Amino acid sequence: GDSVTQMEGPVTLSEEAFLTINCTYTATGYPSLFWYVQYPGEGLQLLLKATKADDKGSNKGFEATYRKETTSFHLEKGSVQVSDSAVYFCALSEDAGGTSYGKLTFGQGTILTVHP
Amino acid sequence: DGGITQSPKYLFRKEGQNVTLSCEQNLNHDAMYWYRQDPGQGLRLIYYSQIVNDFQKGDIAEGYSVSREKKESFPLTVTSAQKNPTAFYLCASRPGPHRYNEQFFGPGTRLTVL
Repeated sequence: GDSVTQMEGPVTLSEEAFLTINCTYTATGYPSLFWYVQYPGEGLQLLLKATKADDKGSNKGFEATYRKETTSFHLEKGSVQVSDSAVYFCALSEDAGGTSYGKLTFGQGTILTVHP
Repeated sequence: DGGITQSPKYLFRKEGQNVTLSCEQNLNHDAMYWYRQDPGQGLRLIYYSQIVNDFQKGDIAEGYSVSREKKESFPLTVTSAQKNPTAFYLCASRPGPHRYNEQFFGPGTRLTVL
């Protein structure tokens, strides 16, 4: 079955540091890939997505590139801020055919804390 | 404003009681989902519904039930059969089945069993 593996957390950085959160996946088909962010006590918000190989998703200074050859979708940001402190989830969605019907498969989440 | 609402935000239940969590969306989305989130874990799918009057079990459906009588509503009942119901519950919706469509999430309900 499908699975998503994220790097172990938590991750603690100083403001303006470079961020990488690794994400690799296993899928039977040709999935779309997503990064969601969750702030304390809230639901998830879509951060960025990519739907085909070599696509780069970007938003709010975050970027991730769909790498089919390495089955990866690593999240990066050049200079983090205190306001980026949150939990980040990598997820995939397969085609709607068969039994998947567009469900999301999530990684376990990575807690990011940014200090001033 | 379009979006997904969940109520209540916090819910306390005594052991042995059933409780129903509300989820409403005004996005005109076809598909709706319920997830459970536990500390240090990703989200796990409880139930999902593709269209009105149809729903399917997810990965952890035991002890839960749902209904989809209206397109905009997808309530989740946590029954007394659910052995460990204390968790954060998230509802989501999606405009259609295409794999590039993201899911939109509500703010969640935190359920605590006393």
